[in-house]
Amino acid sequence: DIQMTQSPSSLSASVGDRVTITCRASQSISSYLNWYHQKPGKAPKLLIYRASSLQSGVPSRFSGSGSGTDFTLTISSLQPEDFATYYCQQSHSTPPTFGGGTKVEIK
Amino acid sequence: VQLQQSGPGLVKPSQTLSLTCAISGDTVSSNSAAWNWIRQSPSRGLEWLGRTYYRSKWYSEYAISVKSRININPDTSKNQISLHLKSVTPEDTAVYYCVRDLRKNTAMVDDDFDVWGQGTMVTVSS
Repeated sequence: DIQMTQSPSSLSASVGDRVTITCRASQSISSYLNWYHQKPGKAPKLLIYRASSLQSGVPSRFSGSGSGTDFTLTISSLQPEDFATYYCQQSHSTPPTFGGGTKVEIK
Repeated sequence: VQLQQSGPGLVKPSQTLSLTCAISGDTVSSNSAAWNWIRQSPSRGLEWLGRTYYRSKWYSEYAISVKSRININPDTSKNQISLHLKSVTPEDTAVYYCVRDLRKNTAMVDDDFDVWGQGTMVTVSS
């Protein structure tokens, strides 16, 4: 199975901050990388697919980049509703696997 | 599209965990969708369990970790899927999600999970 590693595991930020989360795959996955966020007690929500494509309805402050093994999720200006846990997931090969998560907390 | 999950929240060790996912706004036999079960626990994180989908015939695929114990079945008459996980242990305690993957190209599946059910917390305990 492909292992997905996220960093950091948690971060503190303020409203309006630019936030960057990284994800590394244990082998090349081309651009087959998705990003989700999850709020407490809720299901994950798809934000970005194929590394950089914005899912319909997701605000443009979210963006993704990368290919191969290294990927980045950027939130250009953090909003109150963005405080959540973020997960990456590879869709390159079966089984699809997820990173361990990055918790974004209020500073 | 909505996925409405149902099933018991408590299962005894060695018994079978059974959950149902009712689909509205899409069809279980769509050639463009795959229907997955994913679970989440503090110890194992988000873990894909398996999927079923229709591409001129029915396919089911499962994670190796549960392959000997799992069945995911479509029910076209009720437009739903079910999960059966037998011989459960406390390690199977988790929130279970029914999840859609809507493919965007010619691949059999995309594994882009765009619609999630509300989640069902299942505890395995005597």
